[in-house]
Amino acid sequence: SQQGEEDPQALSIQEGENATMNCSYKTSINNLQWYRQNSGRGLVHLILIRSNEREKHSGRLRVTLDTSKKSSSLLITASRAADTASYFCATSGTYKYIFGTGTRLKVLA
Amino acid sequence: EAGVAQSPRYKIIEKRQSVAFWCNPISGHATLYWYQQILGQGPKLLIQFQNNGVVDDSQLPKDRFSAERLKGVDSTLKIQPAKLEDSAVYLCASSMGLEANEQFFGPGTRLTVL
Repeated sequence: SQQGEEDPQALSIQEGENATMNCSYKTSINNLQWYRQNSGRGLVHLILIRSNEREKHSGRLRVTLDTSKKSSSLLITASRAADTASYFCATSGTYKYIFGTGTRLKVLA
Repeated sequence: EAGVAQSPRYKIIEKRQSVAFWCNPISGHATLYWYQQILGQGPKLLIQFQNNGVVDDSQLPKDRFSAERLKGVDSTLKIQPAKLEDSAVYLCASSMGLEANEQFFGPGTRLTVL
């Protein structure tokens, strides 16, 4: 079973725009990670946010976590064509990671 | 630093046949994961090893799937006999340990069962 549900399922934007995708989950977590998957580089870790953190930045990425709402968001600023990929959230309660269903992002040049 | 290695990259078999996948994690990584990713879905954890011990195999269909990591380094995942619904990409990942660590994924093995 998959705990995380990403929203939207698919997103198409113009290069230079910001992209926001959301992840909702069901049970308590220790941390939440975001991964990117494209055909060229496979599945790659982007950022990890712990349950006691509310916001984290890494380059053009900004992640927020609201444990009271059991949700997280990933913001990609100034998107590029190379950001075209599927994005997954993965939650961990103990040592087991559960991946969500993914958001397919397409950035148009 | 070498990444996670997997072989083969592609495999096509008939249903009821058997197949094995191999994974070599990043050197020094104690934790190894096998995931199944069906087209259009997120990866689903099949089994997780810490060194050569199993941490979680609750979603492994044990009547047909088996996995081992005998020396705590590389690992094999076997399906016997395969069913049509086993068609998927099988991903191997590794991390330094159990505690909230980044996972490094291999390129995957794309299995097609006819």
